[in-house]
Amino acid sequence: NAGVTQTPKFRVLKTGQSMTLLCAQDMNHEYMYWYRQDPGMGLRLIHYSVGEGTTAKGEVPDGYNVSRLKKQNFLLGLESAAPSQTSVYFCASCARAPASGLMGFGPGTRLTVL
Amino acid sequence: SQQGEEDPQALSIQEGENATMNCSYKTSINNLQWYRQNSGRGLVHLILIRSNEREKHSGRLRVTLDTSKKSSSLLITASRAADTASYFCATDGGGRETSGSRLTFGEGTQLTVNP
Repeated sequence: NAGVTQTPKFRVLKTGQSMTLLCAQDMNHEYMYWYRQDPGMGLRLIHYSVGEGTTAKGEVPDGYNVSRLKKQNFLLGLESAAPSQTSVYFCASCARAPASGLMGFGPGTRLTVL
Repeated sequence: SQQGEEDPQALSIQEGENATMNCSYKTSINNLQWYRQNSGRGLVHLILIRSNEREKHSGRLRVTLDTSKKSSSLLITASRAADTASYFCATDGGGRETSGSRLTFGEGTQLTVNP
């Protein structure tokens, strides 16, 4: 049981390049989330999913897209990376709504956009 | 905008002392949670307190909740160097349609426990 895993761990992009971050969980969780964390700040919600095939916008969705084609995977895409997207990205999942249960986090992906 | 705001932003204490961190929030909630983050790592859930609870304990952790003041505090007793981390409160924004599906995190308190 690996919990929540993220791929890749580190990435450097040039402005305008695209990439996809992969989050995978093996706990059969319904809810999955993508957050970003900037230095000295808390986590801000980008997008989330309450089940396979569903996605919803969070606080800071602009410049990102997501897909949840399989229950265990939640993909975060950057179509045209900008320096403002330099951040650490965390994926999280939980079995039930996070308001009533535990949220488990992945180890993070550190992204630098030059 | 951030739902929760932690105070202080940074706290430095000696091993054995108690550490108190505060969190204020803006909207009604169903519950409030505290998370810990070691440097460069993901967040780890510590404790959850429901809106109808006033105090909760877990080991060396004590959490209080005052819904009238929209505030919570996290007390770590007899701190250890291993408690050095960032601590975040998170709320679910109770009462709104999507409130139960997402958590909003504060900016965190960086705790340093000196040996």
